[in-house]
Amino acid sequence: AQTVTQSQPEMSVQEAETVTLSCTYDTSESNYYLFWYKQPPSRQMILVIRQEAYKQQNATENRFSVNFQKAAKSFSLKISDSQLGDTAMYFCAFIAQGGSEKLVFGKGTKLTVNP
Amino acid sequence: NAGVTQTPKFRVLKTGQSMTLLCAQDMNHEYMYWYRQDPGMGLRLIHYSVGEGTTAKGEVPDGYNVSRLKKQNFLLGLESAAPSQTSVYFCASRPQGRTEAFFGQGTRLTVV
Repeated sequence: AQTVTQSQPEMSVQEAETVTLSCTYDTSESNYYLFWYKQPPSRQMILVIRQEAYKQQNATENRFSVNFQKAAKSFSLKISDSQLGDTAMYFCAFIAQGGSEKLVFGKGTKLTVNP
Repeated sequence: NAGVTQTPKFRVLKTGQSMTLLCAQDMNHEYMYWYRQDPGMGLRLIHYSVGEGTTAKGEVPDGYNVSRLKKQNFLLGLESAAPSQTSVYFCASRPQGRTEAFFGQGTRLTVV
């Protein structure tokens, strides 16, 4: 079974600073993908960034980047130059494509960006 | 293109009542998922489907049933609602061969 663990229930950061959200996962699958989703107060689920397990290069999307450590089963999200609009719940998620096809989420980290 | 639509958006049920939540997607997606979101618990998978006519249990299936008679619709049923089923329910769909999931806007269900 796949599990996703986010050990930081809440975090805060000052506007323009950098923050890192942690995520670890457990799986026996070899072909999988990892994601970070953002959920603002509107409840909408927004895909922030995606990492393919077989790619060694860390994914980046503008101010968002990941540190993917496959051997350690770690997948952290770094947000640079934090903005007030980054305030949201952030969920780490996992899917084993070609396997069970279950999309599994962690418990989330509530991020607050302070002015 | 409506994407993923959940019906209803809000509902209050009395304990013991039954209801069905509808998830409809117009993107011809193969995979569909039902989650519940509770404070501090993240999104927990209730049931999912890998294609028309198929369903499978997720992490928290007890008290729920599902059906996928048509590819575009995934129904979540509560036969006898309990206060513990008070939650926000999300549906998601995903195309075969792709990893990005598309979410509905959520249904807030309160069981009193």
